Amino acid sequence: NAGVTQTPKFRVLKTGQSMTLLCAQDMNHEYMYWYRQDPGMGLRLIHYSVGEGTTAKGEVPDGYNVSRLKKQNFLLGLESAAPSQTSVYFCASSSRGPSSYEQYFGPGTRLTVT
Amino acid sequence: AQKVTQAQTEISVVEKEDVTLDCVYETRDTTYYLFWYKQPPSGELVFLIRRNSFDEQNEISGRYSWNFQKSTSSFNFTITASQVVDSAVYFCALSRIKAAGNKLTFGGGTRVLVKP
Repeated sequence: NAGVTQTPKFRVLKTGQSMTLLCAQDMNHEYMYWYRQDPGMGLRLIHYSVGEGTTAKGEVPDGYNVSRLKKQNFLLGLESAAPSQTSVYFCASSSRGPSSYEQYFGPGTRLTVT
Repeated sequence: AQKVTQAQTEISVVEKEDVTLDCVYETRDTTYYLFWYKQPPSGELVFLIRRNSFDEQNEISGRYSWNFQKSTSSFNFTITASQVVDSAVYFCALSRIKAAGNKLTFGGGTRVLVKP
């Protein structure tokens, strides 16, 4: 099992450019999450999804959009990148039910916006 | 709103010393989960432990131990006889139990540097 994978691993963007980060999980999990990690601030939730076709805002959603067209994929989009979006992005997934508390994290994507 | 505070941003110890990481949390929920994650220099997040709010029993796993005190809203983590491989950033986190999508609220992390 690959678990949770993220594409790409690294990316450099110029201000105003757009891009999409792809998260894929092969554990048939219902819930998926996108977090960003900034120094001294831990991980903060951007958006999450509780099932295919559903998305919801997290703590820091501004400047990002997400889609969950397939259960196994969760896309994070930046329409017009800004330097403040320079961060490490982590995707996670978890099952529904008694074990839903356990989130499985991807390896992260390091994004730099110049 | 939930909040997790890790007041120590960085701790440096010499190998074999014990190190304790503090975690203080705020929540209005009466039941919740608490977690510790490790992030080694390679960058991935490694799950260490989950604790239910209604179980205040301390836990020990090898050189790791956790002290949960609901009365002071603290969930501290101790590494006994530290090793160089323990060098990492450690995150404390909190989540609600009865919520659609168990969103985690993380503390800012504590960087532990173990010197040989």
